[in-house]
Order: sequence, then structure tokens, then C-alpha cells
Amino acid sequence: DQQVKQNSPSLSVQEGRISILNCDYTNSMFDYFLWYKKYPAEGPTFLISISSIKDKNEDGRFTVFLNKSAKHLSLHIVPSQPGDSAVYFCAASAREGGTASKLTFGTGTRLQVTL
Amino acid sequence: SQTIHQWPATLVQPVGSPLSLECTVEGTSNPNLYWYRQAAGRGLQLLFYSVGIGQISSEVPQNLSASRPQDRQFILSSKKLLLSDSGFYLCAWSVLTSNYGYTFGSGTRLTVV
Repeated sequence: DQQVKQNSPSLSVQEGRISILNCDYTNSMFDYFLWYKKYPAEGPTFLISISSIKDKNEDGRFTVFLNKSAKHLSLHIVPSQPGDSAVYFCAASAREGGTASKLTFGTGTRLQVTL
Repeated sequence: SQTIHQWPATLVQPVGSPLSLECTVEGTSNPNLYWYRQAAGRGLQLLFYSVGIGQISSEVPQNLSASRPQDRQFILSSKKLLLSDSGFYLCAWSVLTSNYGYTFGSGTRLTVV
């Protein structure tokens, strides 16, 4: 049962344009969402996060939008740069009893930013 | 500052051989520790997590086991590897109050031949 889904395995965007990566989830108990970026043969690194009490969080070129009613979140990268080429994982967590809980990851979207 | 070490970086093992991957964390106490696997064409699958010494939770039935002999040490093991155990194994840690989720190690590429 895939509770976090990234339906687009790959995305190609021209340098300077906007990249939009999408993520859907099914568990209504998720209350915290994160995006990770992963280069080949390296561990994922944290990119940006959003709490369920917000619908938008912005950090430089990266913005995450959350639509709780649709159980959907997206990551916008503007403008896209060649160094953004990587696999992006969406992740979600549900705090249990006030403690940090396990992160459930999506299957990832490979972003290729072309010149 | 906190750091996480994971080794080896790559490993090629024959079917039926044992496995031991080690992960250590520095600069923090009583972290939550995790083992994930990324199989070819798939996402990150949680294998084991630990909230303290000797406390291991398994997420999926499999040919692997985990142990936490010390607060900042997490070990992934197998007695007999299968071809399906091939993948990219990642160790991660987190703390209760972190807003950054997990910090991952650099990973181990395991190829079972």
C-alpha cells in the first residue's frame, strides 16, 4: 500500500523555466511533509518542509504547496538550474503520541534540467 | 555538529554469504536510527528503525536483521544473502524536535551475485 505517491517518474525542464514536482498521499493522519533531493550514489538531503497547518512554504527558489483537501503537495523550483538535476523524494510523517514518527517516502521523480 | 558515517560505500557479495553494514552517528545522543533500502526503480523502503539501544522495529519481513548495540551504532545484517537483497542501503538518524526529518548517510551499494 503506497501511502505517498509520486506518479511522474521523470521530468525534463529547460534551464530558467519552472519545475513542478507533484506528490499525493492517502493517509489523512500525515501532518508534516518534506522534500528530499538525491544525487546518484549519495544519501538524500533535506530540501524543504511544510506543516499541515500551512499551505505554502518558500525558501529561495524552492516553494512547497500543500492542498490538504486534495491530499496533494507540490514542489516548485524557479528558476530551474542544471544543478537541480537529481531525484526528488516526497516524504510524510504522522506524529504518534508527540514523538517523531517514521517518514514514508514516495518513489521519487527524476528531474533533468536541460540547457 | 552532527555527522553520520556509513560503510562500506560499495560491496559485492555472493549469494548465500553473510552481510554486515555499520552506521554510526556523532554529535547527538539517543537518536532515532533507521535503515532504508532503495531498490532499482523503486523508492525508499523503510526496513528497520530503533528508538533506543536494543530496541528494533521491523517494517517488512525479509532476509535481513538489525541491531543497536550502542546508542549511536546501528548494524544491518544477514546470515545468507539473496539476489533480491541487492540495492542501495541508507542509514539515517533523527531527533524528536527536528523539523528536518532525517539526516541520511552516504549509502552502501550492495550487489549480490
